[in-house]
Amino acid sequence: AQTVTQSQPEMSVQEAETVTLSCTYDTSESDYYLFWYKQPPSRQMILVIRQEAYKQQNATENRFSVNFQKAAKSFSLKISDSQLGDAAMYFCAYRLLTGTASKLTFGTGTRLQVTL
Amino acid sequence: KAGVTQTPRYLIKTRGQQVTLSCSPISGHRSVSWYQQTPGQGLQFLFEYFSETQRNKGNFPGRFSGRQFSNSRSEMNVSTLELGDSALYLCASSLEGQDQETQYFGPGTRLLVL
Repeated sequence: AQTVTQSQPEMSVQEAETVTLSCTYDTSESDYYLFWYKQPPSRQMILVIRQEAYKQQNATENRFSVNFQKAAKSFSLKISDSQLGDAAMYFCAYRLLTGTASKLTFGTGTRLQVTL
Repeated sequence: KAGVTQTPRYLIKTRGQQVTLSCSPISGHRSVSWYQQTPGQGLQFLFEYFSETQRNKGNFPGRFSGRQFSNSRSEMNVSTLELGDSALYLCASSLEGQDQETQYFGPGTRLLVL
């Protein structure tokens, strides 16, 4: 079974600084998708960024970028120029698209605090 | 385009009762998945529906059931509620075909069982 591990329960970053959230996963598959979702206090789960495993190029979305290391099964999220609105729980997630494995598997989350 | 909507947003029930939650996917999305989020167990997959058929099911007891209608709207039902069913229930929808890998979430229904 696939598992996703987020080893940092909490992180803190100063406004305008850069922070990296870690995620590792375990799978025997070669073709899959990885995601970072953000869940602010409103509890709405918001897609931050996604990465296709077959793409070597790391995904970027404005201030958000990932470092995808397929061999190491690592998928970290870098937030640049952190803003107060970035404060939230961040979940790393994995998904296959085949048969019964098409569900999203989530990590336990990292709570990000942004300070002035 | 409107996002995923879920109703009701909050519910309070007592043990033994049953509850029905509703989810309307993004227009054009035919796949709907349900997740349960609790402080202890985190985010867990309940089931996925596509074209009115359950395509995938998580490891939950039979008290948890769902269905999907021809307009892709989905409902989930929990019968004989237990205290441990208190949770945030999230619905997510996705396209089939291009961009099918990405699930977009609704705001959730917060269920409290007393």
